Amino acid sequence: EIVLTQSPGTLSLSPGERATLSCRASQSVSSSYLAWYQQKPGQAPRLLIYGASSRATGIPDRFSGSGSGTDFTLTISRLEPEDFAVYYCQQYGSSPYTFGQGTKLETK
Amino acid sequence: QVQLQESGPGLVKPSETLSLTCTVSGGSISSYYWSWIRQPAGKGLEWIGRIYSSGSTNHNPSLKSRVTMSVDTSKNQFSLNLSSVTAADTAVYYCARRSSSGWYFDYWGQGTLVTVSS
Repeated sequence: EIVLTQSPGTLSLSPGERATLSCRASQSVSSSYLAWYQQKPGQAPRLLIYGASSRATGIPDRFSGSGSGTDFTLTISRLEPEDFAVYYCQQYGSSPYTFGQGTKLETK
Repeated sequence: QVQLQESGPGLVKPSETLSLTCTVSGGSISSYYWSWIRQPAGKGLEWIGRIYSSGSTNHNPSLKSRVTMSVDTSKNQFSLNLSSVTAADTAVYYCARRSSSGWYFDYWGQGTLVTVSS
């Protein structure tokens, strides 16, 4: 099973700043099969990024993903108030599909 | 717009079987894979298993053989049974659809809280 470790656990930033979230895999994720989700309290996760760098339908271009192998990054270029939430990475290169433990993005 | 809705008991006794159903609307259940994912309070997400519209299944080995899943295409529903539950199975349970291009999830239900307690 591939273990995903996200860092930092909590990121405190202000609207307008740039956010960089990391996801590291315990072994290489084949074909960059990595996704990112956003989850707000009381809601289901929302797909943001798939294939490490492709934005899902309707996702603003301030969200971008990068990386390959074992190291992946989600970048939010300029934070909007609605971006403060918990973010999860997920690998789907091998079953069982696994998620990171999450990064909480909070308002500074 | 595809919508998913979980339903089932919110309270299950230890050692009994947790049973949930996901109803899909706004699209057909056919020709897609469907999954169950759970999230204990304040924790991360765990993939439970998947079922295809034909009925073929696969589940997370961490749950050993406690998981069974079924599909009813006539009702556009699929179901999860998790046997011999303990307090560790208390979580919000989500149903979700696999994207057509990979094992990531593009549509999710709102989630249902299941508590295991006597």
